[in-house]
Amino acid sequence: TQLLEQSPQFLSIQEGENLTVYCNSSSVFSSLQWYRQEPGEGPVLLVTVVTGGEVKKLKRLTFQFGDARKDSSLHITAAQPGDTGLYLCAGGYNFNKFYFGSGTKLNVKP
Amino acid sequence: DSGVTQTPKHLITATGQRVTLRCSPRSGDLSVYWYQQSLDQGLQFLIQYYNGEERAKGNILERFSAQQFPDLHSELNLSSLELGDSALYFCASSVDEGNTIYFGEGSWLTVV
Repeated sequence: TQLLEQSPQFLSIQEGENLTVYCNSSSVFSSLQWYRQEPGEGPVLLVTVVTGGEVKKLKRLTFQFGDARKDSSLHITAAQPGDTGLYLCAGGYNFNKFYFGSGTKLNVKP
Repeated sequence: DSGVTQTPKHLITATGQRVTLRCSPRSGDLSVYWYQQSLDQGLQFLIQYYNGEERAKGNILERFSAQQFPDLHSELNLSSLELGDSALYFCASSVDEGNTIYFGEGSWLTVV
């Protein structure tokens, strides 16, 4: 059983479309991180959110941490083929023990 | 390139055998983390070391052990290997606890 559930598991969209992926848990985390992983590489950190209700923007990516610090969402505006990859959320306790969700595999078709 | 170096990149071994995976953290990073990524379990936290001391333990089997040496490199030892241990093993490092974690490219282990 995964501590963090991500949805959808797979997403295939056309270039230019918007999308949202979700990360949900019954646990409260001290922080939540989003990563992107490309084939043959390790995950790369996109953002860390620590405050309930926090919203962070990274160019076309908008990250939100739920008020209760149990869930998060990642919204991508006008997706591009370069956004293709596995998106992982990770919930942390005391900043040294992160639990990862199973990920959302995103494919953006040109 | 994250600056975290893992060796070997690929390893094929038989059931019952023992292997050692090696990790060199980024220069200056004191904390090292080990993760296992498999198709059915996703990315699982195994263990974390900080400046040579074990700081956090996750879903690490008793057949697995790790250590961090005085020069801060780390090794993950996997013994009595089973088919289900086939996975991608990642090492990650950070300057300190609470800082950004940088992942290596992983070591692919295949147990046959």
